[in-house]
Amino acid sequence: GENVEQHPSTLSVQEGDSAVIKCTYSDSASNYFPWYKQELGKRPQLIIDIRSNVGEKKDQRIAVTLNKTAKHFSLHITETQPEDSAVYFCAASEGDNFNKFYFGSGTKLNVKP
Amino acid sequence: SQTIHQWPATLVQPVGSPLSLECTVEGTSNPNLYWYRQAAGRGLQLLFYSVGIGQISSEVPQNLSASRPQDRQFILSSKKLLLSDSGFYLCAWSVGQGGGYGYTFGSGTRLTVV
Repeated sequence: GENVEQHPSTLSVQEGDSAVIKCTYSDSASNYFPWYKQELGKRPQLIIDIRSNVGEKKDQRIAVTLNKTAKHFSLHITETQPEDSAVYFCAASEGDNFNKFYFGSGTKLNVKP
Repeated sequence: SQTIHQWPATLVQPVGSPLSLECTVEGTSNPNLYWYRQAAGRGLQLLFYSVGIGQISSEVPQNLSASRPQDRQFILSSKKLLLSDSGFYLCAWSVGQGGGYGYTFGSGTRLTVV
């Protein structure tokens, strides 16, 4: 099955700086890659996603890039704010089976005021 | 609009006791339904998913089971809990094949087996 690896496991940045979280996947047939944000004690929530026919997608301060050849994708957060502090999970679909996602192990982002 | 309900929010159960967690979805028909477990400080592990009534796919062999008695109801069960079953259990739903909009998660159940 798919293997998704996520780095770093923890990330601490100063407010206003940028944060980058990287994920790699093993199944070259994966074609959908969502990112989730989970605040402490709460449910994960979808923040951005990208499909395999797109190399980059941006939504305000958040962007995701995808390199299909290298099988890696990244989340970029610019102008970080304390409310960005949370655990972020990447995920990859099992091929074009949107019934199954494999999640990374998560990145705990701490934005220091 | 679609909403997903999951209960209870917290649960403390003794080892060997049974378990039943329920999840229901409103505002949509024939959703795909999922059960995930999140161990402390860990990622999300897919336990079961269902594409229709009575259709359950198991991802990880264990002492848990799932059932889908109705279109928008998904139940996670165990006959005898183990200490290792402790964790944060999340139900999720998504549109059917081809939707590609990711999951919407329920609020989760924090299970502590003592």
